[in-house]
Amino acid sequence: DTAVSQTPKYLVTQMGNDKSIKCEQNLGHDTMYWYKQDSKKFLKIMFSYNNKELIINETVPNRFSPKSPDKAHLNLHINSLELGDSAVYFCASSQEISSNDWATNYGYTFGSGTRLTVV
Amino acid sequence: AQSVTQLDSHVSVSEGTPVLLRCNYSSSYSPSLFWYVQHPNKGLQLLLKYTSAATLVKGINGFEAEFKKSETSFHLTKPSAHMSDAAEYFCVVSGTGGFKTIFGAGTRLFVKA
Repeated sequence: DTAVSQTPKYLVTQMGNDKSIKCEQNLGHDTMYWYKQDSKKFLKIMFSYNNKELIINETVPNRFSPKSPDKAHLNLHINSLELGDSAVYFCASSQEISSNDWATNYGYTFGSGTRLTVV
Repeated sequence: AQSVTQLDSHVSVSEGTPVLLRCNYSSSYSPSLFWYVQHPNKGLQLLLKYTSAATLVKGINGFEAEFKKSETSFHLTKPSAHMSDAAEYFCVVSGTGGFKTIFGAGTRLFVKA
């Protein structure tokens, strides 16, 4: 029973295309996140959602649009994909009940990642 | 301002020998500190966390870490390395009350047979 699940696991697409990554958590957590991991393994926060509301948008291009239909789901839609978007995207969730940032005392539960390759 | 520094980008040990992965942090307040492990092509898994309780924290798979405020360190140790410990390890500083979550750059652990 996967706690945080992402689909797809791999995504190969051409420049200029639009793609979506889906994330679902069954932990009952209120807060969900999208992180981007580059080729050097550096992790950077992209978005934080608390109970379906956007909390953090950390200098991410407008081509990236998160959508949270309910607190168990946080999807990421990317328009007009560029070569530089190639990375591994991780969804995560945490127990924080309310948050105005992405700080945590509980830690995150991560999904297994989506490796996006733009050619 | 917060920051976290993992002092080694790579650590190589032989199977059965101790593991030490070093992490220093900077924070104006008492932070929460975490270690995560990432095996190749996998997501990050929480190993252990410190949140102002006992300074010696035990985690999964035999790992432990000690919070030393005077040294602003949170080093990860394991008495005896196993081949399955080969992975990337991330030290993280966070905590509510105006903190952000900051990931270290990672330490790649190699375990030789």
